[in-house]
Amino acid sequence: DGGITQSPKYLFRKEGQNVTLSCEQNLNHDAMYWYRQDPGQGLRLIYYSQIVNDFQKGDIAEGYSVSREKKESFPLTVTSAQKNPTAFYLCASRTGAEQYFGPGTRLTVT
Amino acid sequence: AQSVTQPDIHITVSEGASLELRCNYSYGATPYLFWYVQSPGQGLQLLLKYFSGDTLVQGIKGFEAEFKRSQSSFNLRKPSVHWSDAAEYFCAVGDDDYKLSFGAGTTVTVRA
Repeated sequence: DGGITQSPKYLFRKEGQNVTLSCEQNLNHDAMYWYRQDPGQGLRLIYYSQIVNDFQKGDIAEGYSVSREKKESFPLTVTSAQKNPTAFYLCASRTGAEQYFGPGTRLTVT
Repeated sequence: AQSVTQPDIHITVSEGASLELRCNYSYGATPYLFWYVQSPGQGLQLLLKYFSGDTLVQGIKGFEAEFKRSQSSFNLRKPSVHWSDAAEYFCAVGDDDYKLSFGAGTTVTVRA
């Protein structure tokens, strides 16, 4: 079955800790994206990668970091510098102009 | 930079009635336009897309959307809603680099 997996579905962390969210795809897509979703705000782009070993900042990259060492994997680290990390995080991959989304990870930081 | 406005935060519709969700976009060139649907706690599913050509596009689950360049709109419609259509709907515009900008979403409630 081809698709995008994100793990875990729910993640809880204490303030001041870094946390890494996993995103894996077996669709053979070159481009991958991370979005943050907050109630009433739609999705906002954090980082994206058009190809392995390359990535660019999106609109709200501060406090986040990514890597793209493998085509199928695009992990997102939420650092302690992110002021409001509690949110729903969505990963996507792209073929042509169409993006396909994973099921999301809900991160709660207390 | 592109942007998307979905004027309706919440719409309630009776089962079997028609549904129209509004979307207005701002983009300098010919846009890529999308509608996505999201069930609570889930990812987004692509309903339909417009790239070029016929301005009335058909999607999955009986949805359609019409691109109107003169009004910078891409409204989503369904002739007869089912209880399973209750969800949040997002309109998005893509730029030449294929980055998407999303509207804030419209929540649809279906009453029996």
